[in-house]
Amino acid sequence: EPEVTQTPSHQVTQMGQEVILRCVPISNHLYFYWYRQILGQKVEFLVSFYNNEISEKSEIFDDQFSVERPDGSNFTLKIRSTKLEDSAMYFCASSDLLLNTGELFFGEGSRLTVL
Amino acid sequence: AQSVTQLDSHVSVSEGTPVLLRCNYSSSYSPSLFWYVQHPNKGLQLLLKYTSAATLVKGINGFEAEFKKSETSFHLTKPSAHMSDAAEYFCVVRGDGGSQGNLIFGKGTKLSVKP
Repeated sequence: EPEVTQTPSHQVTQMGQEVILRCVPISNHLYFYWYRQILGQKVEFLVSFYNNEISEKSEIFDDQFSVERPDGSNFTLKIRSTKLEDSAMYFCASSDLLLNTGELFFGEGSRLTVL
Repeated sequence: AQSVTQLDSHVSVSEGTPVLLRCNYSSSYSPSLFWYVQHPNKGLQLLLKYTSAATLVKGINGFEAEFKKSETSFHLTKPSAHMSDAAEYFCVVRGDGGSQGNLIFGKGTKLSVKP
């Protein structure tokens, strides 16, 4: 069964460093998303991406964040200068435009720890 | 604005007994509602979804949920719990952003199943 894969599963970084989280969405999906879950808090929407541009973003997704689809398979989330409060589990998701039912397929997450 | 409230942070049942995970929603219009499950060290998996068709929705692994507009509820049930059902369950409503991928998550309910 096709699945969304994320790397790394866990990354530890120093405050101020740049981090790139990578995702390989399901191959025929056209919508891509990032969510995050700070420990003990709700899963929160960050950004959605379609046709090589951001289609929606939350207020969390400030100038420190960026997303990119550098090639036909990868979808990345970059945090330019990490802060302590960026420590969270980051989930990538994708969906099929044709379904248009809001069903998102999620990866297993990348845990980011900022020291 | 849409929101969901999961009334229990932790539910414990014995194997073979019924499961009830409660969720109330708030929405200014007819909502799209979902239940997602997260097993340890796994991604978020869609259990079932309500998108204004039948009010009783059947999902995977024997789970069901009933949309009750008068009570603004979308509780998740299963007649007989199995050990493999132990996981965290999230009630989710689709946000009103244009991308349809802006999902608003509840805080989650951790289900424990005792032998």
